[in-house]
Amino acid sequence: EPEVTQTPSHQVTQMGQEVILRCVPISNHLYFYWYRQILGQKVEFLVSFYNNEISEKSEIFDDQFSVERPDGSNFTLKIRSTKLEDSAMYFCASSLRQTPSNYGYTFGSGTRLTVV
Amino acid sequence: AQSVTQLGSHVSVSEGALVLLRCNYSSSVPPYLFWYVQYPNQGLQLLLKYTSAATLVKGINGFEAEFKKSETSFHLTKPSAHMSDAAEYFCAVSVRNAGNMLTFGGGTRLMVKP
Repeated sequence: EPEVTQTPSHQVTQMGQEVILRCVPISNHLYFYWYRQILGQKVEFLVSFYNNEISEKSEIFDDQFSVERPDGSNFTLKIRSTKLEDSAMYFCASSLRQTPSNYGYTFGSGTRLTVV
Repeated sequence: AQSVTQLGSHVSVSEGALVLLRCNYSSSVPPYLFWYVQYPNQGLQLLLKYTSAATLVKGINGFEAEFKKSETSFHLTKPSAHMSDAAEYFCAVSVRNAGNMLTFGGGTRLMVKP
């Protein structure tokens, strides 16, 4: 069964450093997403991406965040200057259609980011 | 804006007992509703979804959920719990024409006692 692959599974970084979280969505999917889950809190939407541009973003997704699909297979989330409060599990997801009703999302296993 | 409330952050049942995980939603337009399961160190796996067809939805691993508009609920049930059902369960909502993002509840950790 096709999977969404995320690397690395764990990343520790120093405050103020840039991090790039990587995702390989399912190959024929067209819509891509990032969500995050701070320990003990809800899973929160960050951003959706379609046709090489951001289609929606939440208020969490400020100027410190950016997304890119650099080569047609990878989908990356960059945090420019990490803060302690960026420590969370970051989930990538992809879907074939925009509306999740028929197809749902496929989520990756997540990257646990720890900012020290 | 839509929202989801999951009553009970932790639920404990005995093996073989009924599982009931509660989810209530708030939405001004007809919602799409989902249940996801997260096993330790794994991603979110779709259990089942409601998409305005049948109100009783059957999912994987013997789970089902019933959409009750009058109660704004979408509770998840399983007649007989198995040890392998121990996991975190998330209810989520999405609405048409309000983007394709999912809004999640806080999650319920299900523990199954032998």
